[in-house]
Amino acid sequence: QLQLQESGPGLVKPSETLSLTCTVSGGSISSSSYYWGWIRQPPGKGLEWIGSIYYSGSTYYNPSLKSRVTISVDTSKNQFSLKLSSVTAADTAVYYCARHVAYYDSSGYRTCGYFDYWGQGTLVTVSS
Amino acid sequence: DIQMTQSPSSLSASVGDRVTITCRASQGISNYLAWYQQKPGKVPKLLIYAASTLQSGVPSRFSGSGSGTDFTLTISSLQPEDVATYYCQKYNSAPPFTFGPGTKVDIK
Repeated sequence: QLQLQESGPGLVKPSETLSLTCTVSGGSISSSSYYWGWIRQPPGKGLEWIGSIYYSGSTYYNPSLKSRVTISVDTSKNQFSLKLSSVTAADTAVYYCARHVAYYDSSGYRTCGYFDYWGQGTLVTVSS
Repeated sequence: DIQMTQSPSSLSASVGDRVTITCRASQGISNYLAWYQQKPGKVPKLLIYAASTLQSGVPSRFSGSGSGTDFTLTISSLQPEDVATYYCQKYNSAPPFTFGPGTKVDIK
């Protein structure tokens, strides 16, 4: 059974960089069928996709966060990571990692679909 | 960017009722739409993808339909365990892979 587990600090100071890692077990992160993504949910609010990465390192980012986000992958450890810079209180949220099913669109271009497995989520609070 | 809206934002229904939630995209997205269920304090769970394909293990009382800009999620007979917030998500080709704002369902 595939499992994803987020890890990282639960408290980050304003203007600093939020760093989280997702460890995948029960399956290979190097599968050609999936991207691996990050989604966040501020307390009491809805879901926001942050970005996703393929095992080769190819990434998609949400344009609203792109200037502050870096997602990387370490296939040797079956992990992928999120860095979000210059955080403010608005970045306080539960951060989820998830498996993002890949597909080929009508132009033959590989892109991301739906999220079929999710981690348990980790609350990150931005506060001094 | 394509915007996703959902209606209603919340609803209250009786056990056994048929419940319908609507998701609308600001531009056509073919059938590149998924639905998720998030129970209070829990992780979102995939219910439906490709607008109408039921994810393995999801009860058959859940169904999805639609194409283009208008989509629906139907619960044929509402059960107490269906109390949750339901989100749609579009995934046609280009990012962002946006979620709708959610529809909160509870029992009357």
